[in-house]
Amino acid sequence: AQSVTQPDIHITVSEGASLELRCNYSYGATPYLFWYVQSPGQGLQLLLKYFSGDTLVQGIKGFEAEFKRSQSSFNLRKPSVHWSDAAEYFCAVGAHSGGGADGLTFGKGTHLIIQP
Amino acid sequence: DAGITQSPRHKVTETGTPVTLRCHQTENHRYMYWYRQDPGHGLRLIHYSYGVKDTDKGEVSDGYSVSRSKTEDFLLTLESATSSQTSVYFCAIRREQGTGELFFGEGSRLTVL
Repeated sequence: AQSVTQPDIHITVSEGASLELRCNYSYGATPYLFWYVQSPGQGLQLLLKYFSGDTLVQGIKGFEAEFKRSQSSFNLRKPSVHWSDAAEYFCAVGAHSGGGADGLTFGKGTHLIIQP
Repeated sequence: DAGITQSPRHKVTETGTPVTLRCHQTENHRYMYWYRQDPGHGLRLIHYSYGVKDTDKGEVSDGYSVSRSKTEDFLLTLESATSSQTSVYFCAIRREQGTGELFFGEGSRLTVL
């Protein structure tokens, strides 16, 4: 069965500092990988995705993530955070085949706090 | 915007009462999903649908049923609500020609007293 681990429940970062959120996955085949962001009281917004090709993917809002197959990781990074980045971040894994109906498996989330 | 509308957005009910949450989409997507979100658990899949009258169970399906009588609507029913079903429920769709990502509605917050 597939699973996603986000080791950090909370992370506090100063505004302007760099950010890295960790994500490790377990999946028996080549996965699709995603990062979503959720602001308080809102739905989930897709930040970026990896499905093939270049292992460094760029997303919206200045975020990027790197797929490392050898480490089963898909860490999210941003060089300089803004106060508006404070939110809950979810990593998710899905089937690469694309033919099935199965949904995504999500991690438990990392709550990002931005200090002024 | 994937044209997903959830209703009601907020509901308070009592233990033992039936509750139905509705997910409506405007783009005729084949795949629809219901997730619940709880602190410390992230999002967990309840049920999903791969077409009209075609549904299957997810990770946490006990106590829930679903129906999809037409493409645009996916209903989640709690036959007899319990306090453990207090949660935020999200509906999502997946585009057949996409790369597996889900697009989510705004969520329905359910409180069972």
